[in-house]
Amino acid sequence: DIQLTQSPSSLSASVGDRVTITCRASQGINNFLAWFQQKPGKAPKSLISAASTLQSGVPSRFSGSGSGTEFTLTISSLQSEDLATYYCHQYHSYPYTFGQGTKLEIK
Amino acid sequence: EVQMLQSGGGLVKPGGSLRLSCEVSGFTFRNYIMNWFRQAPGKGLEWVSFISHSGSSIYYADSVKGRFTVSRDNANNLLFLQMNSLTAEDTAVYYCARPSYCDAGSCNAYWGQGVLVTVSS
Repeated sequence: DIQLTQSPSSLSASVGDRVTITCRASQGINNFLAWFQQKPGKAPKSLISAASTLQSGVPSRFSGSGSGTEFTLTISSLQSEDLATYYCHQYHSYPYTFGQGTKLEIK
Repeated sequence: EVQMLQSGGGLVKPGGSLRLSCEVSGFTFRNYIMNWFRQAPGKGLEWVSFISHSGSSIYYADSVKGRFTVSRDNANNLLFLQMNSLTAEDTAVYYCARPSYCDAGSCNAYWGQGVLVTVSS
């Protein structure tokens, strides 16, 4: 199975800060990586597919990059509504897997 | 507008069965692969099953293989997850999901609202 390791597991940042979350895959997955945002009690929301493709309606402050084994999700200017848990997800090989999540708190 | 309306969750005793449904509207269901995911209380996301657009290719997580069966009814835009021999470890919110596809520069993935399955005596 492909393991995804996210870092950090949690972080606290201020409105306006630039935030970066990293996802490392245990083996190469090309660009078959997605990022999800999940708010408490809600279904996950797709932010990024194919490592860097922004989903429709997602604010442009969100961006994704990387290929192979190293990926990043960047929020260029943190907003209060970005309070959530973020997950990376590989769909290169079965079983599909997720990172353990990064809980983002607003200072 | 895309809607993915899930039903069928609830409380079931260990060893029991449950069938989840996901009714899709707003896109041509028969053209898309679909997945089931789940999330145990307070835990992360876990992929459960994949089914191809025609139903000819199916995959399962090892944790549910031999107990869960995914199927689809393309004529009625329905996705199913039949869950048998349920254990407490299957307690989770279950989501149906369509992966992201891009059309005319617009890329979208869709998830159902989730249904809670609780396995307890």
